Amino acid sequence: SQKIEQNSEALNIQEGKTATLTCNYTNYSPAYLQWYRQDPGRGPVFLLLIRENEKEKRKERLKVTFDTTLKQSLFHITASQPADSATYLCALDPSGGGADGLTFGKGTHLIIQP
Amino acid sequence: KAGVTQTPRYLIKTRGQQVTLSCSPISGHRSVSWYQQTPGQGLQFLFEYFSETQRNKGNFPGRFSGRQFSNSRSEMNVSTLELGDSALYLCASRLTEDSNQPQHFGDGTRLSIL
Repeated sequence: SQKIEQNSEALNIQEGKTATLTCNYTNYSPAYLQWYRQDPGRGPVFLLLIRENEKEKRKERLKVTFDTTLKQSLFHITASQPADSATYLCALDPSGGGADGLTFGKGTHLIIQP
Repeated sequence: KAGVTQTPRYLIKTRGQQVTLSCSPISGHRSVSWYQQTPGQGLQFLFEYFSETQRNKGNFPGRFSGRQFSNSRSEMNVSTLELGDSALYLCASRLTEDSNQPQHFGDGTRLSIL
């Protein structure tokens, strides 16, 4: 069956360190993968999209990698800050054409300790 | 530019009732998707509308329905409410139906069934 898995437990990181979140998928061949941030009581906010032919994508303190052989994406936040504390969701398009919406992982709750 | 607006923010209903939720997409966005978010299942795709046509529907019973108007605003309706329908219902918009584009989410309607 098709699955997207993220660390289900909370991830505690000390302020200033790099936080690394993992997204693994099985039985999908996505052309791209997206990462979103969700704060309590709010809707997800788009952060980054990485295509299958891109190994790495950066945006300010954020970096995403995409390994289609390992079927894995890593999401890094460098110089982490308490304001980075949130739930981070990875998502992919299962059909390739967008008609089936996005399939989301259940998210990783990141806590940055001051 | 105003973001995606969902109304109402909170709703309490009883079993057997029906409910209508509303979503106003970002100006110029023609695609509107609906998702259900629960602690157990995470974010799950309900359906997407583009140019007033439903593109596809997720794995939800026929009690869940929706529509889109000519101004791209969308509504979703749930009939014969069940306790398990308690969830955060999220609406997302994007410029076209191209799945390569990020979804812009509203902050959702929190539906509680008593």
